[in-house]
Amino acid sequence: DAKTTQPPSMDCAEGRAANLPCNHSTISGNEYVYWYRQIHSQGPQYIIHGLKNNETNEMASLIITEDRKSSTLILPHATLRDTAVYYCIVRLKAAGNKLTFGGGTRVLVKP
Amino acid sequence: GAGVSQSPRYKVAKRGQDVALRCDPISGHVSLFWYQQALGQGPEFLTYFQNEAQLDKSGLPSDRFFAERPEGSVSTLKIQRTQQEDSAVYLCASSLAGGAVSYEQYFGPGTRLTVT
Repeated sequence: DAKTTQPPSMDCAEGRAANLPCNHSTISGNEYVYWYRQIHSQGPQYIIHGLKNNETNEMASLIITEDRKSSTLILPHATLRDTAVYYCIVRLKAAGNKLTFGGGTRVLVKP
Repeated sequence: GAGVSQSPRYKVAKRGQDVALRCDPISGHVSLFWYQQALGQGPEFLTYFQNEAQLDKSGLPSDRFFAERPEGSVSTLKIQRTQQEDSAVYLCASSLAGGAVSYEQYFGPGTRLTVT
């Protein structure tokens, strides 16, 4: 699986959009970009994934650049409950394909 | 509906003891994964089951670690002769996957193992 690079931490204000960047310059054509988050003392939680088109669900939006070398996870209206470590993971969409977690971005939402 | 559950949530073991950690995946989920998460680190893959078959155990750190899923549902991760470096949170995840199709993984809350 391709390696990802994320900033180690970032703060954002409650009610504002949080934009979380991820670089994955060695991504291959059939690898997907996945985002998970881990709230303190809980297991990781799936957020969203995409291949090359932008994706949106009830939790977040995922913007993938045209060359697919980077992406941004957008939390449109951050709340205090969004404080967590966010992991960007690149992987093949195949059965049994494990998740390879990097260091993630520790996001602190402040009131 | 019910999510992935793990028991116990916390386990303290003396060095040298054997421990068994249980995972109840979401009903009907074919795939089951175990991960180990050291303090301050991201989870690391240990092993993967598709139904009762253990298809990947490349992440198990030593032969003291053993996992099983005999009936293709509940899984147990066993650690023999625990050592202090085994202290970590052990996470279980399941997904509705079969063949070449993969779905997102749903994680349990983890079991925090402390070896003293």
